[in-house]
Amino acid sequence: DADVTQTPRNRITKTGKRIMLECSQTKGHDRMYWYRQDPGLGLRLIYYSFDVKDINKGEISDGYSVSRQAQAKFSLSLESAIPNQTALYFCATDDGTGAETQYFGPGTRLLVL
Amino acid sequence: AQSVTQLDSQVPVFEEAPVELRCNYSSSVSVYLFWYVQYPNQGLQLLLKYLSGSTLVKGINGFEAEFNKSQTSFHLRKPSVHISDTAEYFCAVSDMDTGRRALTFGSGTRLQVQP
Repeated sequence: DADVTQTPRNRITKTGKRIMLECSQTKGHDRMYWYRQDPGLGLRLIYYSFDVKDINKGEISDGYSVSRQAQAKFSLSLESAIPNQTALYFCATDDGTGAETQYFGPGTRLLVL
Repeated sequence: AQSVTQLDSQVPVFEEAPVELRCNYSSSVSVYLFWYVQYPNQGLQLLLKYLSGSTLVKGINGFEAEFNKSQTSFHLRKPSVHISDTAEYFCAVSDMDTGRRALTFGSGTRLQVQP
């Protein structure tokens, strides 16, 4: 079984709809991250969380919100989806021990019509 | 704040030829340096990382990278590529000092290995 899972893997939605992308991990890591990937732009940080009570905005947090329901779960919500939020979304974790390796989920491909 | 520049968006190369993927970074603080690989329809996985010590870092699948502080570069190399190396490669940095640890990525380089 994968250590970092994301659901759904693909999603099509309409402008104005609220949607949630979910991330779960079995690695026991405290730190979790949400990134979006756009062609030619690489990955950009949306939000990150160092534990259940510590949530921080990344460089492109506008239009997004997150919830850290437990150590293992970190959800990303689009309150009112818009077409320029069409992208590939990745969740990642690291253990914060100094090894500095992030482990990525398989991604969620989102299309906003 | 940091930024990462990957100078080549695509690199075509023939099988068994050597390859170098270039990465330069800008930062006002000390950074950790990474290369991640993304195979088609998959997430990212770590190829190698520089945290401290020797500036020549060896990673998985025969890749290596050299940290050059004076040139603020961290170029990725492989002496002989295989078809299976076809993927997108991302250079990334994280802030060593603040503990934030979120990654700042470059725009990626697509390596296309041809038979």
